[in-house]
Amino acid sequence: ILNVEQSPQSLHVQEGDSTNFTCSFPSSNFYALHWYRWETAKSPEALFVMTLNGDEKKKGRISATLNTKEGYSYLYIKGSQPEDSATYLCAFRPTSGTYKYIFGTGTRLKVLA
Amino acid sequence: EAGVTQFPSHSVIEKGQTVTLRCDPISGHDNLYWYRRVMGKEIKFLLHFVKESKQDESGMPNNRFLAERTGGTYSTLKVQPAELEDSGVYFCASSGVSLGTQYFGPGTRLLVL
Repeated sequence: ILNVEQSPQSLHVQEGDSTNFTCSFPSSNFYALHWYRWETAKSPEALFVMTLNGDEKKKGRISATLNTKEGYSYLYIKGSQPEDSATYLCAFRPTSGTYKYIFGTGTRLKVLA
Repeated sequence: EAGVTQFPSHSVIEKGQTVTLRCDPISGHDNLYWYRRVMGKEIKFLLHFVKESKQDESGMPNNRFLAERTGGTYSTLKVQPAELEDSGVYFCASSGVSLGTQYFGPGTRLLVL
């Protein structure tokens, strides 16, 4: 059974703080790791797709890193804003010939003004 | 370009009733996926279509769930008869290629009473 874990489950930060979350996934059988941002009642929004060990991706104040050898990815938000409040989901894709995502439970972020 | 759309956005039904969810993928996307998120848990894969063919339905919980994609455009997911444990958010996603980024709809929130 392939397990994807995210931590923390939830956190509250003050506006302007920087924060980061972790996604852990199986280090063998790796094809890709996707990050999504999801606000309730809206469509999960694709942030990054990461495929190579050592990948670093950036989109505005949000960035992500990938370590496939040890099986983790970090998502960083610099200078959090209230509009960053959402659930951040990571989705692991194995090489085992299937096309489905295996999701973590998400990290729910609340940025306090 | 229109994103993935889902209908209805919410559905409240009684145990034993039937509900049909609809998904319209991004135009031209051959790959369509259904996922489900039960409260507090991770989003889980249900099945994958390529055009009108089911490629992988390993995540379908039981034979009360029936997915179709006649004509290879929109898809429906029928639950008959619904049980309490079927409550959750049902997401649809589509991608242009099988290993491409999946684009999600806003989900249908199903509550079975």
